[in-house]
Amino acid sequence: EAGVVQSPRYKIIEKKQPVAFWCNPISGHNTLYWYRQNLGQGPELLIRYENEEAVDDSQLPKDRFSAERLKGVDSTLKIQPAELGDSAVYLCASSPGGRVTEAFFGQGTRLTVV
Amino acid sequence: AQTVTQSQPEMSVQEAETVTLSCTYDTSESDYYLFWYKQPPSRQMILVIRQEAYKQQNATENRFSVNFQKAAKSFSLKISDSQLGDAAMYFCAYGGTSYGKLTFGQGTILTVHP
Repeated sequence: EAGVVQSPRYKIIEKKQPVAFWCNPISGHNTLYWYRQNLGQGPELLIRYENEEAVDDSQLPKDRFSAERLKGVDSTLKIQPAELGDSAVYLCASSPGGRVTEAFFGQGTRLTVV
Repeated sequence: AQTVTQSQPEMSVQEAETVTLSCTYDTSESDYYLFWYKQPPSRQMILVIRQEAYKQQNATENRFSVNFQKAAKSFSLKISDSQLGDAAMYFCAYGGTSYGKLTFGQGTILTVHP
C-alpha cells in the first residue's frame, strides 16, 4: 500500500513569489493534516481536513496561505507571496478519521525562500 | 490547550547500550494517545510506539518500550540495545479525543556512537 505522497521534495523560490505543495494521502484516510516544521523544532499544525472540510485552520496565516482538498482526497497548500520566514519543511499527514490513533506522514517538502 | 515538553535537546548513547528519552505533557482530557515518532535526516516521520492512556500496561515494540505515568503526565521512551540506525530526531506527540490533531514536543536529537 502506498504511503502519503508529497511533491515536490525540494523547492527554492525568491521572496514574493508563489509556491504550491501537493499531497496525496493514504487511500481511505478521511483526515488530512498540513504541518510546518522549522529547523530543529517539532511540527506545528497549519490546517486539518475531515474529508473536504477544513475543521481546524486556526494556525494558518490566511493572508498569504491557502489550502484546498477537492473531493476529499488530494490536497494543495499554497503560499502567495512567500516571505523569507516561510522557509521550513512542510509535512502532510493522514489518518483514518475520528480520533487520532495514528498519523502517517509523507516525506515533506523543504522550502527555501531566498 | 495541550502542550508537550521534551527537556533533552540532545542525547547520546553507545551502541548496544540503553538510553531513555523524556517527555511530559499537559492535558485536561482523560482519554488520549501518546506517540513517539522518529525522524531521520530523510525527514520521514516514522511511528516508533504508541500508548493508549486508558491502558495501564506500558507499550513495547521490540527494543523500544515506554514508561507511561498518567498521574505524573510523563511518557518516556527507552531504547535498548541501541543501534547506529536509531540515530535520529525523536518527537513525543499527544493525540487527544477532543482535538483531532497531534501536538508535538520540540524533539530530542539522539546520537549513537559505535
